[in-house]
Amino acid sequence: EDQVTQSPEALRLQEGESSSLNCSYTVSGLRGLFWYRQDPGKGPEFLFTLYSAGEEKEKERLKATLTKKESFLHITAPKPEDSATYLCAVHISRHFNKFYFGSGTKLNVKP
Amino acid sequence: DAGVIQSPRHEVTEMGQEVTLRCKPISGHDYLFWYRQTMMRGLELLIYFNNNVPIDDSGMPEDRFSAKMPNASFSTLKIQPSEPRDSAVYFCASSSGRQGGNQPQHFGDGTRLSIL
Repeated sequence: EDQVTQSPEALRLQEGESSSLNCSYTVSGLRGLFWYRQDPGKGPEFLFTLYSAGEEKEKERLKATLTKKESFLHITAPKPEDSATYLCAVHISRHFNKFYFGSGTKLNVKP
Repeated sequence: DAGVIQSPRHEVTEMGQEVTLRCKPISGHDYLFWYRQTMMRGLELLIYFNNNVPIDDSGMPEDRFSAKMPNASFSTLKIQPSEPRDSAVYFCASSSGRQGGNQPQHFGDGTRLSIL
């Protein structure tokens, strides 16, 4: 059965305290893994796409990495404005353009 | 460029009433998705369209739910009759099918639906 699991469910950090969020998946035929950020009252906002194991993408304080079983979203020296829920989604080959979303990690960065 | 536009942003109605949610996808996108988000179940795909044709409606919970896409720039999700357990945030998203698909989906800001 295809599964996408995110951990932890919630994470509280002090400003400047780096950490990582995890997205593990058990799917066959991964075509792409997507990271999104969701602010309260808003829709998910696209951050990154990763297509193959070993790939990395960076944007400001965020860096996403991918292995054959999981993806990490590394947050370096976070700021309060990084507080949001982070979602990952997988696209698998037998379901063209259909994404399977994890349940998200709610990040709270305190000043 | 305008993103995905959903209306209304909030809807409060009584049980048994018909509810219609609307979505305008990003111009040029040929895939459109309807999702529902709740605390308990997270983000669930209800149905998606390609070139205005429904491709997969396996996530539609019951016959009370229906979706249409009469043209490339408009889609509706209808619930009739509505029930309190339908209360959730409903999102519309669109994406491009170019390069064999695998393009990110872009979301609207959702409709927060409350059924009393």
